[in-house]
Amino acid sequence: KNEVEQSPQNLTAQEGEFITINCSYSVGISALHWLQQHPGGGIVSLFMLSSGKKKHGRLIATINIQEKHSSLHITASHPRDSAVYICAPDNTDKLIFGTGTRLQVFP
Amino acid sequence: KAGVTQTPRYLIKTRGQQVTLSCSPISGHRSVSWYQQTPGQGLQFLFEYFSETQRNKGNFPGRFSGRQFSNSRSEMNVSTLELGDSALYLCASSLLMNTEAFFGQGTRLTVV
Repeated sequence: KNEVEQSPQNLTAQEGEFITINCSYSVGISALHWLQQHPGGGIVSLFMLSSGKKKHGRLIATINIQEKHSSLHITASHPRDSAVYICAPDNTDKLIFGTGTRLQVFP
Repeated sequence: KAGVTQTPRYLIKTRGQQVTLSCSPISGHRSVSWYQQTPGQGLQFLFEYFSETQRNKGNFPGRFSGRQFSNSRSEMNVSTLELGDSALYLCASSLLMNTEAFFGQGTRLTVV
């Protein structure tokens, strides 16, 4: 069983829709990162959180340490949000990565 | 503030050769981590350096090595290249260990 499970693997949405990506992990962690990767490879760190909830613009990330679960929400999705979103728990020694969720938002 | 810079961006090497990749972290950042991304295995942790010392290492063979210099710049080296080493190699810098990571654009290595 993978240490990090993300769902869904693929997601298509119409512009304006509310998006949720889920991440469950089985290891103890000090924090969890949400990353965004566009075609071409560059990775952008969206959030690093160890408890509760963080918001940045249209993006919201939540984490429940007891349940070992985190979610990334995108409100009012836009075609420029199309990317791969990767959950990466930090188990102190290193980051471990989910397989990513490929999001496509159509106008 | 300049971001994380990786050089070169693209590289083609032949099996059996060796390669050195470079990563310049954000000014003031002392931690540099390296990752390999392949279609089959996804993103995997290679190693982490802090203050010129390797702090953690992933599950990769000894052909993969790295170092960090006093100015925090880091290099990784892969010797005796295999076809399976073809991947996107990413580095990330952070102010300290276990703090927010900032990624470079990556070096895409193709082994033929």
